[in-house]
Amino acid sequence: DAGVIQSPRHEVTEMGQEVTLRCKPISGHDYLFWYRQTMMRGLELLIYFNNNVPIDDSGMPEDRFSAKMPNASFSTLKIQPSEPRDSAVYFCASSFSPGQGSSGANVLTFGAGSRLTVL
Amino acid sequence: GDSVTQMEGPVTLSEEAFLTINCTYTATGYPSLFWYVQYPGEGLQLLLKATKADDKGSNKGFEATYRKETTSFHLEKGSVQVSDSAVYFCALSRYSSASKIIFGSGTRLSIRP
Repeated sequence: DAGVIQSPRHEVTEMGQEVTLRCKPISGHDYLFWYRQTMMRGLELLIYFNNNVPIDDSGMPEDRFSAKMPNASFSTLKIQPSEPRDSAVYFCASSFSPGQGSSGANVLTFGAGSRLTVL
Repeated sequence: GDSVTQMEGPVTLSEEAFLTINCTYTATGYPSLFWYVQYPGEGLQLLLKATKADDKGSNKGFEATYRKETTSFHLEKGSVQVSDSAVYFCALSRYSSASKIIFGSGTRLSIRP
């Protein structure tokens, strides 16, 4: 498996523009997480899905942020409109639940991240 | 609620020095404990884990022992290398819930040649 694949790796956009970040989780993983990392706030969980269903979006900062998972192999995080304070590295991670086996359960596999700069 | 506290960084050491990064947790019951490492420009990756009290996780010369009595999971390495320079995150989760993964704030480690 190629691991968790994120795109784009880098995105520079202007304030007010729509930004879409993409993620392909590891095949067979039933949990998908979106995190945001900044120097000031560290690593923040934004939202997570289980079997493609959003379970907890309480970390999503505001209505400008939305996330979807239309199928088991694809998820998007959208920001519309974007603002300079959204500049951060956004990580996608996936894992499988304890019911699928004990040795690797609850272990997150992270993508390389998408670095977003909003001017 | 569950929480993880790890020592503030940055930590700067000379090559071949002994490393300890402290991590303590607050949780009821018996969570699983993890150390993740983030190298520059990359995502976090699992370094080691322990799933029950007195377990020792180890990988790449790093070790950490699950201490229930002191609610700690300190990361140690006997002789660090420049390539160990990274940010280290302590984390916990509950076996019964893949979703509740709590991360510490991270400790930046820099190794001087």
